Amino acid sequence: NAGVTQTPKFRILKIGQSMTLQCTQDMNHNYMYWYRQDPGMGLKLIYYSVGAGITDKGEVPNGYNVSRSTTEDFPLRLELAAPSQTSVYFCASSYPLVGYQETQYFGPGTRLLVL
Amino acid sequence: RKEVEQDPGPFNVPEGATVAFNCTYSNSASQSFFWYRQDCRKEPKLLMSVYSSGNEDGRFTAQLNRASQYISLLIRDSKLSDSATYLCVVNGFQKLVFGTGTRLLVSP
Repeated sequence: NAGVTQTPKFRILKIGQSMTLQCTQDMNHNYMYWYRQDPGMGLKLIYYSVGAGITDKGEVPNGYNVSRSTTEDFPLRLELAAPSQTSVYFCASSYPLVGYQETQYFGPGTRLLVL
Repeated sequence: RKEVEQDPGPFNVPEGATVAFNCTYSNSASQSFFWYRQDCRKEPKLLMSVYSSGNEDGRFTAQLNRASQYISLLIRDSKLSDSATYLCVVNGFQKLVFGTGTRLLVSP
């Protein structure tokens, strides 16, 4: 099992450009998540999905979009990149037990710099 | 009030020391609790789950106090390799809520 994989590892964008951060998991997990982590700060939830075709906003969704067409993939789209979106982006997945939240497995992260 | 609160530290301790971190949470309905570890510039990784009766994994002991809504992590015989940020994690609805982390620095 590769677990959770993310591409690219690092990217520099110019203001106003768009890009898609890719996330794939091979553990057949229902739940997937996107977080951002600014330097010296905690994780902030951007979007999450509880299954294919279902997505929901987290605490900082503005400027981002997601889709979940398959169980394995959960891409994050940045439209009109802004310097405030400079951050490290982590994708995670989990297979929750009924009524509980199972542990989350994280990808290695994508470092994004917007100039 | 934040959903999960932690002292950011850093906690500076010598090798071999015992160190403890606390974390408080606001949602009394929370059922699942975890400690994650995050190394510099790396992804968070599960350190251990926290069970109601308390649990131990080698040098690490986790405790849960539901009445006071806090979780603790005790590290005995600290190693240099324990230097990291420790994240307290509590379940919310369909997601986990992460604390901002407590930084631990173990020195020779």
